[in-house]
Amino acid sequence: QLQLQESGSGLVKPSQTLSLTCAVSGGSISSGGYSWSWIRQPPGKGLEWIGYIYHSGSTYYNPSLKSRVTISVDRSKNQFSLKLSSVTAADTAVYYCARASSTVTTPIQKIDYWGQGTLVTVSS
Amino acid sequence: QSVLTQPPSVSAAPGQKVTISCSGSSSNIGNNYVSWYQQLPGTAPKLLIYDNNKRPSGIPDRFSGSKSGTSATLGITGLQTGDEADYYCGTWDSSLSARWVFGGGTKLTVL
Repeated sequence: QLQLQESGSGLVKPSQTLSLTCAVSGGSISSGGYSWSWIRQPPGKGLEWIGYIYHSGSTYYNPSLKSRVTISVDRSKNQFSLKLSSVTAADTAVYYCARASSTVTTPIQKIDYWGQGTLVTVSS
Repeated sequence: QSVLTQPPSVSAAPGQKVTISCSGSSSNIGNNYVSWYQQLPGTAPKLLIYDNNKRPSGIPDRFSGSKSGTSATLGITGLQTGDEADYYCGTWDSSLSARWVFGGGTKLTVL
């Protein structure tokens, strides 16, 4: 059974960079046919997709966050990471990592495995 | 403002049936598969329906999905108190600002 586990700083100061890592177990991040995403949910609000990475290192980001987002992969550790720069209070959210099934025509067809989520608070 | 429009809330009595709608456009629902996610209080979302109407292993057949044109619908029959949750639709949006999009979410209350 595939499992994803987020880790990283739970408190980040405004204007600094948020950094999170997602450790994947029970399967290889290098398996074909999947993309690996970050998704966030502000307290009491809905879900927002941040971006994805393939095991090859190819990335695609939500245009609304593109200028501040970097997603990277470490195949040797079977994990991928998120960096979000210049954070503000609006970036306070539960951050989820997830696996998605992808096809030739659709980078994300369904999101089938989710981590438990980690709360990141932006505050001085 | 979400690209996909869902009703903020729905409610029904135990044992009854409820439907949750998800309205989009030709750049998203109209040309891509829709999936549905259940988020129980305090937990991560879980895949409920994929490819418009398929259920992952372990999801009871009380849950169903359908799509017509630029709208999709989640149906739940035989409502149980344990079904109280937030439900989200999702799909790929193939517009110039391509991205994965979620609906705003629907809170289901089982009265």
